[in-house]
Amino acid sequence: AQSVTQLDSQVPVFEEAPVELRCNYSSSVSVYLFWYVQYPNQGLQLLLKYLSGSTLVKGINGFEAEFNKSQTSFHLRKPSVHISDTAEYFCAVIPNQAGTALIFGKGTTLSVSS
Amino acid sequence: IAGITQAPTSQILAAGRRMTLRCTQDMRHNAMYWYRQDLGLGLRLIHYSNTAGTTGKGEVPDGYSVSRANTDDFPLTLASAVPSQTSVYFCASSSGQGNTGELFFGEGSRLTVL
Repeated sequence: AQSVTQLDSQVPVFEEAPVELRCNYSSSVSVYLFWYVQYPNQGLQLLLKYLSGSTLVKGINGFEAEFNKSQTSFHLRKPSVHISDTAEYFCAVIPNQAGTALIFGKGTTLSVSS
Repeated sequence: IAGITQAPTSQILAAGRRMTLRCTQDMRHNAMYWYRQDLGLGLRLIHYSNTAGTTGKGEVPDGYSVSRANTDDFPLTLASAVPSQTSVYFCASSSGQGNTGELFFGEGSRLTVL
């Protein structure tokens, strides 16, 4: 079975500061990894994903994440956040097997203030 | 392009009543999913369908049923609603090719069971 742990439920930061949202996963098989963002009163949208290849993946809105297989982590980073980045962020994993579904972490609320 | 349409957007329901949440997609995606989102618990998979005519149980299927008569529609039914089913429900779809897991979400249906 797979599981996802987002280590921080809330992350408050000031505008233009860097931010890291932490995600660890466990799985007995190889997986694909994702970060989704949910703005208030909206559905989720894909930020970025790791399928294979380079362990550093870049997504929309200046976010990037690094896959670390030895530490089973997939932390999300942004060097300088904006007020508009305030949202809920979800890390998700799916086994590299047919017929399975995404498993989400519990989410991290990023609050950016001026 | 509408993507995924969910209805209703919001509903208040008396306990014991039957309720169907509708979900329609126009992307011709093979796979569809129902998640519920609860504060502090993230998104949990209720039911899924990898292709028309097939369905499967997710993490929290009890009290819910689904059907997939065609590619576009994936309704979720609560046969006899209970207060613990108060939640925000998200329908999602994916092309299902290569199991890359990218999901496209609807805007959600907020359900309150009294």
